[in-house]
Amino acid sequence: GAGVSQSPRYKVAKRGQDVALRCDPISGHVSLFWYQQALGQGPEFLTYFQNEAQLDKSGLPSDRFFAERPEGSVSTLKIQRTQQEDSAVYLCASSPTDEVHNEQFFGPGTRLTVL
Amino acid sequence: AQTVTQSQPEMSVQEAETVTLSCTYDTSESDYYLFWYKQPPSRQMILVIRQEAYKQQNATENRFSVNFQKAAKSFSLKISDSQLGDAAMYFCAYLRYGNKLVFGAGTILRVKS
Repeated sequence: GAGVSQSPRYKVAKRGQDVALRCDPISGHVSLFWYQQALGQGPEFLTYFQNEAQLDKSGLPSDRFFAERPEGSVSTLKIQRTQQEDSAVYLCASSPTDEVHNEQFFGPGTRLTVL
Repeated sequence: AQTVTQSQPEMSVQEAETVTLSCTYDTSESDYYLFWYKQPPSRQMILVIRQEAYKQQNATENRFSVNFQKAAKSFSLKISDSQLGDAAMYFCAYLRYGNKLVFGAGTILRVKS
């Protein structure tokens, strides 16, 4: 079946613009995660959804970052008033249940460049 | 807070040879999971191997195996019979509360033909 998909794959924004990044998880997956990966670094956790409930948003770097998953499937990560330090690859992952040991399946990521 | 350290920014291996990637972690928990993920240049992260902390037996997946030393908080990945397709960035990751993965900084593996 289809894996996790993300769009757009590449996004260039001018500083101060708002952006929206989309994640389509594997169909039926309960858990959805967003990670931020700076160049040459490992991914860092941003937020976690179980169905439509956002259970953990402790990794969001500022109140300019907002994520939603209104119907428990597709998720959108929104960044308002983008800054240069927001430039990174944003990875989405999904997992079939809420059990801790489940594998997280990653999408290809969205590379955001803020000029 | 949990931390994961990969002390080798880059490693090289000759095709068909064996290479070991190092990983250490810091945690006060006794029950957790450890993973090795592979990230090729296309960026899609792929799970290579998983280890449950309560299992003493080291996990193996074909040419990939781990050396899990719980007391030392060490979790190394051994790749046997290295292939050109193994070239990628490899991340060690820890999983416990809240299902969130904590990643190391990664090791770039280069495979020479």
